[in-house]
Amino acid sequence: KNEVEQSPQNLTAQEGEFITINCSYSVGISALHWLQQHPGGGIVSLFMLSSGKKKHGRLIATINIQEKHSSLHITASHPRDSAVYICAVKYGNQFYFGTGTSLTVIP
Amino acid sequence: GAGVSQSPSNKVTEKGKDVELRCDPISGHTALYWYRQSLGQGLEFLIYFQGNSAPDKSGLPSDRFSAERTGGSVSTLTIQRTQQEDSAVYLCASSLGGARGGPYEQYFGPGTRLTVT
Repeated sequence: KNEVEQSPQNLTAQEGEFITINCSYSVGISALHWLQQHPGGGIVSLFMLSSGKKKHGRLIATINIQEKHSSLHITASHPRDSAVYICAVKYGNQFYFGTGTSLTVIP
Repeated sequence: GAGVSQSPSNKVTEKGKDVELRCDPISGHTALYWYRQSLGQGLEFLIYFQGNSAPDKSGLPSDRFSAERTGGSVSTLTIQRTQQEDSAVYLCASSLGGARGGPYEQYFGPGTRLTVT
């Protein structure tokens, strides 16, 4: 089993702030998935990465395979970014999920 | 194009009854996953289908849970003799898959909220 830890669990930020969400896992993986879940809404895939760094708009995801750690960054945060961000690691056929980081961006 | 769809969106059932939850993956996606999200909990892997291979059932919590995937497309998750602890949101996701290429992003359905009374 792969233990996945996310930090922080809850995060409140002012609009415009730079945000970092961290994910650590215990066993080597083939891929890591960042997901976004809005209240009462579905789950949207943000990034799937196995090495290096990916960028999409204001979102940046990085992964350090040696340190078993990934970060999700949001630049120039906006209230519409308020959601739960979930890290999932692929180990074998399975995905193991963190418990999520609840982000609230205040106008 | 159409995303992953699930039905029903909500299901309320009495303890002891059987329920069937349906997932229609994105056309052409060979991999299909079922997950469960209990209130205040993270997502929990249940089962994984890849093409015509035998499914990975290692996440199913008990023998009351089963799933099948017909024709490599639609999948049904069946819970027999439901218990109150089965109450959760059941999510389906699909992706491209296979031994070559990847990693492939998962596309999630809207989920089925199951309430066992």
